[in-house]
Amino acid sequence: AQTVTQSQPEMSVQEAETVTLSCTYDTSESDYYLFWYKQPPSRQMILVIRQEAYKQQNATENRFSVNFQKAAKSFSLKISDSQLGDAAMYFCAYLGSSNTGKLIFGQGTTLQVKP
Amino acid sequence: EPEVTQTPSHQVTQMGQEVILRCVPISNHLYFYWYRQILGQKVEFLVSFYNNEISEKSEIFDDQFSVERPDGSNFTLKIRSTKLEDSAMYFCASSLYLAWEQFFGPGTRLTVL
Repeated sequence: AQTVTQSQPEMSVQEAETVTLSCTYDTSESDYYLFWYKQPPSRQMILVIRQEAYKQQNATENRFSVNFQKAAKSFSLKISDSQLGDAAMYFCAYLGSSNTGKLIFGQGTTLQVKP
Repeated sequence: EPEVTQTPSHQVTQMGQEVILRCVPISNHLYFYWYRQILGQKVEFLVSFYNNEISEKSEIFDDQFSVERPDGSNFTLKIRSTKLEDSAMYFCASSLYLAWEQFFGPGTRLTVL
């Protein structure tokens, strides 16, 4: 069975600085998708970024980028120029090729942004 | 921008009562999901639904749970006899394609007393 692990329960960053959130996963599949979701205090789940496993190029979305290391099964999220609005819980999620759409989430990392 | 909506935002019920949580997915989406999140814990998959059938359900999704798409717009989760441990945030999500991002609703906070 696939698993997703986020080993950092909490992280903090100074406003305007860069922070990296870690995520590792375990799978025997070769074709899958990885996501980062943001959950602010409102608890709404918001998609941040998406990566297809077959793509070697790391996904980028404005200030958010990933470092996808397929062999190491690692998928970290880098937030550049951190803003106060980035403070939230961040979840890494795995979507396999089971044809059912089941997302498997990590435990989450709470990001605090200090002014 | 289209969005997934859920009602109610908060539901309080007595143990043993039936609850129905409602969702309106994005209109042209084909795949529908329910997830739950117990406070402070990770988001857990409950069920996926496509073409009026359950595609996959988790171990949590036992006989007390059911899903339905009664018309062309609503997608519901029913819990027949609620337990204390069903207290959680329940998220509905939808996607256009299977291997595509899932858009989440704002959630329904279920409190079972």
